[in-house]
Amino acid sequence: EAGVAQSPRYKIIEKRQSVAFWCNPISGHATLYWYQQILGQGPKLLIQFQNNGVVDDSQLPKDRFSAERLKGVDSTLKIQPAKLEDSAVYLCASSDNRDPEAFFGQGTRLTVV
Amino acid sequence: AQSVTQPDIHITVSEGASLELRCNYSYGATPYLFWYVQSPGQGLQLLLKYFSGDTLVQGIKGFEAEFKRSQSSFNLRKPSVHWSDAAEYFCAVALSGGYNKLIFGAGTRLAVHP
Repeated sequence: EAGVAQSPRYKIIEKRQSVAFWCNPISGHATLYWYQQILGQGPKLLIQFQNNGVVDDSQLPKDRFSAERLKGVDSTLKIQPAKLEDSAVYLCASSDNRDPEAFFGQGTRLTVV
Repeated sequence: AQSVTQPDIHITVSEGASLELRCNYSYGATPYLFWYVQSPGQGLQLLLKYFSGDTLVQGIKGFEAEFKRSQSSFNLRKPSVHWSDAAEYFCAVALSGGYNKLIFGAGTRLAVHP
């Protein structure tokens, strides 16, 4: 069974630029999560999708972050414009409706300079 | 508000010694409980999980955890630590029912001395 795929693995951008991350969840998983993990901290949930609908985005900075999950499969997370404090690892995870265990991708390490 | 607390930021143990990592949660009901491990530059790997039933659960790599409802705790244990166990460990909870929002603690970094 293929795991959660994320790309790119690393990205360096200047502040005020835009960036996008891509996630392909495990086939058949209805729930998809995006987490932000700042160095030395635990993952913070940014947004949670159930199929292609958003069920929680309470901690997503909506003035600069956006996410979509078209057709209930792949998802993209965008930051526009980026700030220095957005430097972090962005983790994507997925789970199915019968089991809340979340499977994580390798993450995308973003550095904003 | 729901929260997960891992009181120990860093722990150092000698190889072969026993290990216990603490986790406490604050929820209105019994949530689903998880322990994940993260090695440098890697994603999160599930060590074990508790949904219901026997409160002592076994996981991978020789880890176990015990759910104590009266203490709202889910501590992770290993009887004999190996050098390869050095990593960051995260406790997480998901509220049972609903959309299983998964919340993480701040993590405990484990160092292992030879």
